[in-house]
Amino acid sequence: AQSVAQPEDQVNVAEGNPLTVKCTYSVSGNPYLFWYVQYPNRGLQFLLKYITGDNLVKGSYGFEAEFNKSQTSFHLKKPSALVSDSALYFCAVVPRGYGNKLVFGAGTILRVKS
Amino acid sequence: EPEVTQTPSHQVTQMGQEVILRCVPISNHLYFYWYRQILGQKVEFLVSFYNNEISEKSEIFDDQFSVERPDGSNFTLKIRSTKLEDSAMYFCASSGDREGYNEQFFGPGTRLTVL
Repeated sequence: AQSVAQPEDQVNVAEGNPLTVKCTYSVSGNPYLFWYVQYPNRGLQFLLKYITGDNLVKGSYGFEAEFNKSQTSFHLKKPSALVSDSALYFCAVVPRGYGNKLVFGAGTILRVKS
Repeated sequence: EPEVTQTPSHQVTQMGQEVILRCVPISNHLYFYWYRQILGQKVEFLVSFYNNEISEKSEIFDDQFSVERPDGSNFTLKIRSTKLEDSAMYFCASSGDREGYNEQFFGPGTRLTVL
């Protein structure tokens, strides 16, 4: 079965410090990988994606993510966190060759404190 | 910036009643989706729709559910006879292409409460 795991329900970080939100996946083949963010009363907003090529992908608002094939991970990172980054973050995959439905992780709440 | 809109933001209904959730996808997008999130659980795929046909549906999308593009702008999800377990946040999404590497753009969701 295809699944995405976000092992941390919540991540707390101080403003200005680097942040990492973890994601691992169990999907056959090489999936497409995505990160979405959800602010209160808003829809899921696309942050970044990995299709192929360079393992480090850059996205919106200074976020980046590192794809690691051997560890089947796609961790979200940011060098310097802002209070405004506080939100709910979802990792998602689309298995290649299996249509285009997103399979989501459970989400991780990121809290950045000033 | 174009965005997906959904109405209503919150719908309360009695068990057994029909509900229609409405979505206006991004205007030049051709592929439309519904997902739902039961409180405390993961966001789950329900159905994808293209060219006035269902492309793919999940096990959740049984005969009680239907989707329709009644005109050039709206995309609707109908639940014929709601059950308590249908209470969830329902998200509509759209994309410009069916390729799996294209990001999907989500609306803010409709919170459905079935009493």
